[in-house]
Amino acid sequence: EPEVTQTPSHQVTQMGQEVILRCVPISNHLYFYWYRQILGQKVEFLVSFYNNEISEKSEIFDDQFSVERPDGSNFTLKIRSTKLEDSAMYFCASRGQSYNSPLHFGNGTRLTVT
Amino acid sequence: GENVEQHPSTLSVQEGDSAVIKCTYSDSASNYFPWYKQELGKGPQLIIDIRSNVGEKKDQRIAVTLNKTAKHFSLHITETQPEDSAVYFCAAAGGTSYGKLTFGQGTILTVHP
Repeated sequence: EPEVTQTPSHQVTQMGQEVILRCVPISNHLYFYWYRQILGQKVEFLVSFYNNEISEKSEIFDDQFSVERPDGSNFTLKIRSTKLEDSAMYFCASRGQSYNSPLHFGNGTRLTVT
Repeated sequence: GENVEQHPSTLSVQEGDSAVIKCTYSDSASNYFPWYKQELGKGPQLIIDIRSNVGEKKDQRIAVTLNKTAKHFSLHITETQPEDSAVYFCAAAGGTSYGKLTFGQGTILTVHP
């Protein structure tokens, strides 16, 4: 069964550094998403991406964050200047174009900001 | 915005028993309610979903019920097995944003052999 793949599985970075989290969505999917889960808290929506542009974003997704689909397969989340509170599990997800297409998640990247 | 509450936070059952997890939502415009299972070190995996035009859906040992009037939906797992042990999340979405899910807090289900 096709999977959403995320790399790296764990990223450690120092406060103020830039990080890029990478995702390869399922190949025939057209909608892409990032979610995050701070330890002990709910999974939260960050951003949705369709047709090479952001279609919706949450309040969390401020100017520190950006997303990009640099080629036909990758989907990235960049955090420009990481803060301690950015430490979380980041999940990439994708879904197909049909009306009832469900969301498929990757296994996540654990980001630790020190 | 939407708010989803999930109970209980932990649930411990004996193998073969049934498990029920309940969720409530706040936005009457929500019309899509998936359930995800998350095992250690993995991302959420969709196990069943229901749309607001249906009151109940079943897939082998798993069933979901939806009460739109009361704005709550439940996951039922029958004949539980140790491999059902995981964290279960309910979620809700509405309108055309089927990918923008609002999640519940999660339930840690432990099935004892």
